[in-house]
Amino acid sequence: QVQLVQSGAEVKKPGTSVKVSCRASGYTFTDYYMHWVRQAPGQGLEWMGRIYVKSGGTDYAQKFQGRVTMTRDTSISTAYMELTNLRSDDTAVYFCARGGERLGDYWGQGPLVTVSS
Amino acid sequence: DIVLTQSPLSLPVTPGEPASISCRSSQSLLQSNGKTCLHWYLQRPGQSPQLMIYLASNRASGVPDRISGSGSGTDFTLKITRVEAEDVGIYYCMQVLQTPFTFGGGTKVEIK
Repeated sequence: QVQLVQSGAEVKKPGTSVKVSCRASGYTFTDYYMHWVRQAPGQGLEWMGRIYVKSGGTDYAQKFQGRVTMTRDTSISTAYMELTNLRSDDTAVYFCARGGERLGDYWGQGPLVTVSS
Repeated sequence: DIVLTQSPLSLPVTPGEPASISCRSSQSLLQSNGKTCLHWYLQRPGQSPQLMIYLASNRASGVPDRISGSGSGTDFTLKITRVEAEDVGIYYCMQVLQTPFTFGGGTKVEIK
């Protein structure tokens, strides 16, 4: 069965970086996009960007341009999202979601990243 | 960016009664290939979102047939014919026509 398993919760200081992983199983990793969506505490969903796993090509939301990098390692079916220069308002749950015509048919469990001094 | 406006913000419902959620887009979500690029998700408390409806009117795997999606262009509706306890949570619409993909603000469905 398809699964997306993400890395664990993190606590980071302002100005530092975080790298969240998303390990896929149960399907051909390179046949789909991987999207990243975040949710601040008590808030709605926000699309951050996507990576086309086969080529490594990316699309980022303008809001995160220059601070976000999405990569993948096809040898271990794992996608990564790195966010730099963290601020307190980056405190959120960060989800990965499988892309395709049925975007979001599978989601990771979403670790909480807390940015606090 | 495409703006999606959901209404209502909150929807108290009685079990067994119908419910309806609206999602309006700032521009048409009809793609040149004829597909309508609007999805619906349910996020139950403490859980990851779950795809309910894709491309405006197609039920995702495992979604009961009492839940349906309709609409075209800029106006979309998610309907539940008879609300059950498992339907509680926040429903989000999302446009996937153009990046940045965007979500509506969400509609919280709760049992009266």
